[in-house]
Amino acid sequence: AQTVTQSQPEMSVQEAETVTLSCTYDTSESDYYLFWYKQPPSRQMILVIRQEAYKQQNATENRFSVNFQKAAKSFSLKISDSQLGDAAMYFCAPVGQGAQKLVFGQGTRLTINP
Amino acid sequence: NAGVTQTPKFQVLKTGQSMTLQCAQDMNHEYMSWYRQDPGMGLRLIHYSVGAGITDQGEVPNGYNVSRSTTEDFPLRLLSAAPSQTSVYFCASSFQGAAYNEQFFGPGTRLTVL
Repeated sequence: AQTVTQSQPEMSVQEAETVTLSCTYDTSESDYYLFWYKQPPSRQMILVIRQEAYKQQNATENRFSVNFQKAAKSFSLKISDSQLGDAAMYFCAPVGQGAQKLVFGQGTRLTINP
Repeated sequence: NAGVTQTPKFQVLKTGQSMTLQCAQDMNHEYMSWYRQDPGMGLRLIHYSVGAGITDQGEVPNGYNVSRSTTEDFPLRLLSAAPSQTSVYFCASSFQGAAYNEQFFGPGTRLTVL
């Protein structure tokens, strides 16, 4: 079974600054993937970034990057140059390659202050 | 492409009533799933399907039924609604029959059971 912990229920950051959201997980899978999803006030869930656990290089998508520490089972999301449109709930989700079930963390609510 | 569509967007039921939440996707995705989202609890998997004719239980299946007669449709049935089923329900789909691909989410259905 997989467990996911997002220890920051809420975070806030000034516009244009950098913020890091943390996620730790526990899995018995050797091959797995990690996801960050974003849920803005519109409620629509959107994929932010995906990391394959076998890759040592951290994934990057424009202003979004991850710090993946496999031994520590940590998968944090860094948002650079924060924008007002980044305000949302962010969910972390690991999933094993052979697994059919996606387990989400409880989420971190990110507020961007203008 | 319409992506993943869900109907209705809002629904109010009385305790004991039954209803079906509809979900459809036009991306020829094999994997489809249903989640419920409660405040402070992230998304929890109710049921999932890896292809037409195949369904399985997720984390919180009690009180819900599903079927998958076509690739496109994955309805969720509430057999006898209870106040504990008040929640926001999301349907999602992904390419191939795997949970480790990007999930595409519908806009959600807000259900209130009185």
